[in-house]
Amino acid sequence: NAGVTQTPKFQVLKTGQSMTLQCAQDMNHEYMSWYRQDPGMGLRLIHYSVGAGITDQGEVPNGYNVSRSTTEDFPLRLLSAAPSQTSVYFCASKNNGHVGQFFGPGTRLTVL
Amino acid sequence: GNSVTQMEGPVTLSEEAFLTINCTYTATGYPSLFWYVQYPGEGLQLLLKATKADDKGSNKGFEATYRKETTSFHLEKGSVQVSDSAVYFCARETSGSRLTFGEGTQLTVNP
Repeated sequence: NAGVTQTPKFQVLKTGQSMTLQCAQDMNHEYMSWYRQDPGMGLRLIHYSVGAGITDQGEVPNGYNVSRSTTEDFPLRLLSAAPSQTSVYFCASKNNGHVGQFFGPGTRLTVL
Repeated sequence: GNSVTQMEGPVTLSEEAFLTINCTYTATGYPSLFWYVQYPGEGLQLLLKATKADDKGSNKGFEATYRKETTSFHLEKGSVQVSDSAVYFCARETSGSRLTFGEGTQLTVNP
């Protein structure tokens, strides 16, 4: 199993541009989520999904959009990038009812 | 509210020293508690977990005990190694499997 994979690893955007961060898992996990990591703030939940076709907002959802059309994929869309969205983004997954999530390697995003 | 507070870092120790990283949480009910570790340039890895009061999670020489009376989940290791240098995150799981993280503690172990 590849586990949780994320692409790209690095990305630089200009303010106002849009892009999609990809996340995929091959463990047949129902639950998937997106976090952002900022210095001194730990990780904060952006959006999550408990299964295909179901998504919900986390702590910091503004400026981000998600969809879950398949069990395997959970893309995160930045609609109009802002410098405040410069961060490292992590995707995670687990089976519903299990304890502990598996994290991907992260995407480092810089918005100029 | 629901939050996690971690001991501020960075922490610098010599090899074979004793490590404690404090973590306290606020919550209603009894959430599951975790320690995650992030090695340089990598994602987070689950280090250990505890799902109910008085549970002790352990892995790779690290331990943490779920203390309901003090709402704490302090991470300890008796003898750290250079390879333990990383950022350590305490976290709690709320309803809907959502994780709330502490700020992270950078640990550097010198030979």
